[in-house]
Amino acid sequence: AQSVTQLDSHVSVSEGTPVLLRCNYSSSYSPSLFWYVQHPNKGLQLLLKYTSAATLVKGINGFEAEFKKSETSFHLTKPSAHMSDAAEYFCVVSHSNFGNEKLTFGTGTRLTIIP
Amino acid sequence: EPEVTQTPSHQVTQMGQEVILRCVPISNHLYFYWYRQILGQKVEFLVSFYNNEISEKSEIFDDQFSVERPDGSNFTLKIRSTKLEDSAMYFCASKRQGTDNSPLHFGNGTRLTVT
Repeated sequence: AQSVTQLDSHVSVSEGTPVLLRCNYSSSYSPSLFWYVQHPNKGLQLLLKYTSAATLVKGINGFEAEFKKSETSFHLTKPSAHMSDAAEYFCVVSHSNFGNEKLTFGTGTRLTIIP
Repeated sequence: EPEVTQTPSHQVTQMGQEVILRCVPISNHLYFYWYRQILGQKVEFLVSFYNNEISEKSEIFDDQFSVERPDGSNFTLKIRSTKLEDSAMYFCASKRQGTDNSPLHFGNGTRLTVT
């Protein structure tokens, strides 16, 4: 069984300050991990993915995440928040079975940016 | 960049009515999925579809649900007799291949409201 736990349901940061969104995972296999973002009334957009290559993964819009096996964590960071980063962020673990991929989502973290 | 498109963006229906949610996956993709998100809850896997048949389905995907790829471009989710608890955002997704690391691409979703 696989699961992800997003430790904060809501994070508020001031514009220009660092962002940290926390995620811990549980997986019986070597996991594939993702961060997706959902802006209001929009679909789910892939920010970045980890698939057992480099442990530090760079994504779009200046976001990055570090896979730490010893801590079973995959936290999302950004050095400097922008107003356009306000959205819901989902940590996701993937399980593939004969090519079919099934995603398990976390409960989401709503990021608010304070001007 | 190619996108997954979903129609309608919002559907209101009465309890007991049939609804069909429509999706046009990215044209060279082979794997198709439906996920749903009840307001305030996690995004949940419903069903995956490959080679004109269901690959995997969740326990949510009971006999009231069906999927179909009626032609070379559309992928539909039918709910035969809607219940109040079917009210949710339904996301369609597609993936190019099963064995590579390409991610799932999601549509913007259809918000289904059952009254």
